[in-house]
Amino acid sequence: GENVEQHPSTLSVQEGDSAVIKCTYSDSASNYFPWYKQELGKRPQLIIDIRSNVGEKKDQRIAVTLNKTAKHFSLHITETQPEDSAVYFCAASTRTGNQFYFGTGTSLTVIP
Amino acid sequence: ETGVTQSPTHLIKTRGQQVTLRCSSQSGHNTVSWYQQALGQGPQFIFQYYREEENGRGNFPPRFSGLQFPNYSSELNVNALELDDSALYLCASSRAAGPLDTGELFFGEGSRLTVL
Repeated sequence: GENVEQHPSTLSVQEGDSAVIKCTYSDSASNYFPWYKQELGKRPQLIIDIRSNVGEKKDQRIAVTLNKTAKHFSLHITETQPEDSAVYFCAASTRTGNQFYFGTGTSLTVIP
Repeated sequence: ETGVTQSPTHLIKTRGQQVTLRCSSQSGHNTVSWYQQALGQGPQFIFQYYREEENGRGNFPPRFSGLQFPNYSSELNVNALELDDSALYLCASSRAAGPLDTGELFFGEGSRLTVL
């Protein structure tokens, strides 16, 4: 089955700096890669996603890149703000069974 | 538009007991997935229901079972509870075009189960 690895597990940045979180996946059939943000005690919320026919997608301060050959994808947050502090999860999904495989999460702290 | 709602929000059980968790899907969604999230970990897929039929199952034993009702709400049942079943159980709904469609997941707030 699919195996998603996520790094780093914790990340601290100064406000205004950029943050990068990386994930790798093992199943070449995976074709959908969402990123979720989970604040303490809250539900995971989708912040951006990318499909395998696209190499990069951007939404304001957030961008995701995908390298299908190397089987890795990354989340980039620019001009970080304290409200960006949360746990971020990457995930991968194939077109069979609609199962999402999640990474182990990255706890991002933005220091004011 | 009503979001995904789950009940109960918190519950405590003892080993060997049984538990039923409930989920109401978001309006217009026909698919419900259940995930287990242990403390400090990412969500792990338990199973999914599409139009009242199980449509995929993760690596969980048969004592984890579920149902989906005609209104697309769902239940997760866990029998013979073990200490390791302590976790946040997340329900997520989506609007799938078919059983093989990968739709965006909308999560509920979860049910936090503690097994003593």
